[in-house]
Amino acid sequence: DADVTQTPRNRITKTGKRIMLECSQTKGHDRMYWYRQDPGLGLRLIYYSFDVKDINKGEISDGYSVSRQAQAKFSLSLESAIPNQTALYFCATSDVRQNYGYTFGSGTRLTVV
Amino acid sequence: AQSVTQLGSHVSVSEGALVLLRCNYSSSVPPYLFWYVQYPNQGLQLLLKYTTGATLVKGINGFEAEFKKSETSFHLTKPSAHMSDAAEYFCAVSWRGNTPLVFGKGTRLSVIA
Repeated sequence: DADVTQTPRNRITKTGKRIMLECSQTKGHDRMYWYRQDPGLGLRLIYYSFDVKDINKGEISDGYSVSRQAQAKFSLSLESAIPNQTALYFCATSDVRQNYGYTFGSGTRLTVV
Repeated sequence: AQSVTQLGSHVSVSEGALVLLRCNYSSSVPPYLFWYVQYPNQGLQLLLKYTTGATLVKGINGFEAEFKKSETSFHLTKPSAHMSDAAEYFCAVSWRGNTPLVFGKGTRLSVIA
């Protein structure tokens, strides 16, 4: 099994729908992150969590929310999806043992129509 | 604001030629520096990282990078390009592990036979 698992891998949803992207990890890392990738824009931070009781907004948190259900699980929700949220979403984890380098999931490709 | 600049969104080299991908960062404190690679339809994989110590770091697949504090740079090089190096490359910076990684916009490397 992968160290960082994202589900679903691909999703097409309609404008206005609520959708949840899930991330789970077996690394035992305290820190988890959600980024979105758009062509030409690189990866931009949506939310991050340094432990179960810690949630922080990133650069582009509007229209998104997160839940850290356990050390191993970090979910991203789009409350009311809109077409410009069409992107590739990555979950990542890190801790001090890696000098804070990340382990990434395989990504979720989300299309909002 | 902290930032990472990758010069050149697309770099094209001939097979066997030198690969040079440029990365500059802005920081008032010593950074942790990373290069990630993303192959088509895949997640991001760590190529190499600099945290402390030797400023020339070697990574996987024959890549290396040199941290130059005076130039605030961390350019990625490989002496001889291979077709399998075609991918997108991201430079990323963390400020001593206290903040999430900030990514550059990426450089797409094409290798011509």
